[in-house]
Amino acid sequence: EAGVAQSPRYKIIEKRQSVAFWCNPISGHATLYWYQQILGQGPKLLIQFQNNGVVDDSQLPKDRFSAERLKGVDSTLKIQPAKLEDSAVYLCASSLWTIANYGYTFGSGTRLTVV
Amino acid sequence: SQQGEEDPQALSIQEGENATMNCSYKTSINNLQWYRQNSGRGLVHLILIRSNEREKHSGRLRVTLDTSKKSSSLLITASRAADTASYFCATLNNNDMRFGAGTRLTVKP
Repeated sequence: EAGVAQSPRYKIIEKRQSVAFWCNPISGHATLYWYQQILGQGPKLLIQFQNNGVVDDSQLPKDRFSAERLKGVDSTLKIQPAKLEDSAVYLCASSLWTIANYGYTFGSGTRLTVV
Repeated sequence: SQQGEEDPQALSIQEGENATMNCSYKTSINNLQWYRQNSGRGLVHLILIRSNEREKHSGRLRVTLDTSKKSSSLLITASRAADTASYFCATLNNNDMRFGAGTRLTVKP
């Protein structure tokens, strides 16, 4: 089966600019997650979708981050305006069920550098 | 905030040796999962152990879970240079999955 697709792979922007990341989960996976992974740390959940509804966005900095999952398939994560501390790898993952009896499948991530 | 804490933070061994990584967590869990991450890549799911299980095997991997101590261990037997990666434990509590900071494993040929 095809994996989780993410684009772009790399992005360099200046602070205060905006940026958007795209994710296409595995077909049939109802649940989609966006994680932020800062260098040397484990992934931190930003937002979780079940179909096109938000299940958990408690750790999403809503003043600058937004995400949507139109039609319950693809998702985009946007940062506007970006700060230096947003430099990280942004990982998208999907799973079959909300309460995971299965592991998550991760994409390769988007490495964001804010200068 | 992160839930699991891996120990050690870094581990260096020779090819053929066994590698053991530990994970401690704080809250009750539905399951605990281990993931591998090669440099610059996404995470790959290795193994999942449910809260009512104590031990699980998958190929060269052995995972144990002690819910009374809130800890888990991942054993990789007969390590290979290709096992060099970062290993993360992740705990699932209802819909909330939290990752630790990871153990960086280096296997020298």
